[in-house]
Amino acid sequence: DAGVIQSPRHEVTEMGQEVTLRCKPISGHNSLFWYRQTMMRGLELLIYFNNNVPIDDSGMPEDRFSAKMPNASFSTLKIQPSEPRDSAVYFCASGEGRGNTIYFGEGSWLTVV
Amino acid sequence: AQSVTQLDSQVPVFEEAPVELRCNYSSSVSVYLFWYVQYPNQGLQLLLKYLSGSTLVESINGFEAEFNKSQTSFHLRKPSVHISDTAEYFCAVSTQGGSEKLVFGKGTKLTVNP
Repeated sequence: DAGVIQSPRHEVTEMGQEVTLRCKPISGHNSLFWYRQTMMRGLELLIYFNNNVPIDDSGMPEDRFSAKMPNASFSTLKIQPSEPRDSAVYFCASGEGRGNTIYFGEGSWLTVV
Repeated sequence: AQSVTQLDSQVPVFEEAPVELRCNYSSSVSVYLFWYVQYPNQGLQLLLKYLSGSTLVESINGFEAEFNKSQTSFHLRKPSVHISDTAEYFCAVSTQGGSEKLVFGKGTKLTVNP
C-alpha cells in the first residue's frame, strides 16, 4: 500500500490567498484525521471524519478553515483567506477505528507570507 | 477530556546509554496509549501501543513502555540507544469506548550523541 498520500508537500502562498490541501487515505480505512503541527502548539487535531462524516471539528481554528470528505478516498482542507499565522505542517492521517493504529502522511508544509 | 504531558521537551544522551522519555496522561475513563516517532521532515510513525492485557509493551527496535494505571504514566525506555534513534517522540492517548481521536503530548526531542 502506498500509505496516506498528501499534496502538495510544500506550498508558499501570499496572505489572503486560498490554500487547498489534499489527502488520500489508505484504502479500507474508515477514519480520517487532519492535524496541524507548529513549534508553539505542537500537534493539534483540527477535524476528524468517520465513514466520510465529520465527527469532531472542534479543533478547527475559525471559519477560514473548512474540510470536506466527498468520498472514502479523498479529503481536502481549505484555508480561505490564508494568514501568516496559518504557517505550519498539516498532516492527514487515517485509521481503521478505535484502538487501531493511525497512519500519518508525510505532511504538507505551508508557508504564508 | 483527556490530556497528555511529556515532561521533557529535549533529552540529550550519549550513544549506548539508557534513556527514559516520560509521559503522563489525564483521563476520567479507560484509555489506549501510544508512542509515535517522527524523524526529520517526515510524518509520525507508530512505535508501540497499549490497548489491554500485559502492561509492558515492546517495539521491534528495542523500545519498551509500561502502562502504570495508578500513576497514570506510560514512560518509554530503551536500555541502549543508537545514533539512529535521534528523533522526536510523541505520547498519545485515546479513550476506550469514546471518541477515537488521538490527543498528543507536545513531544520530546531525543538527541543521541556519539
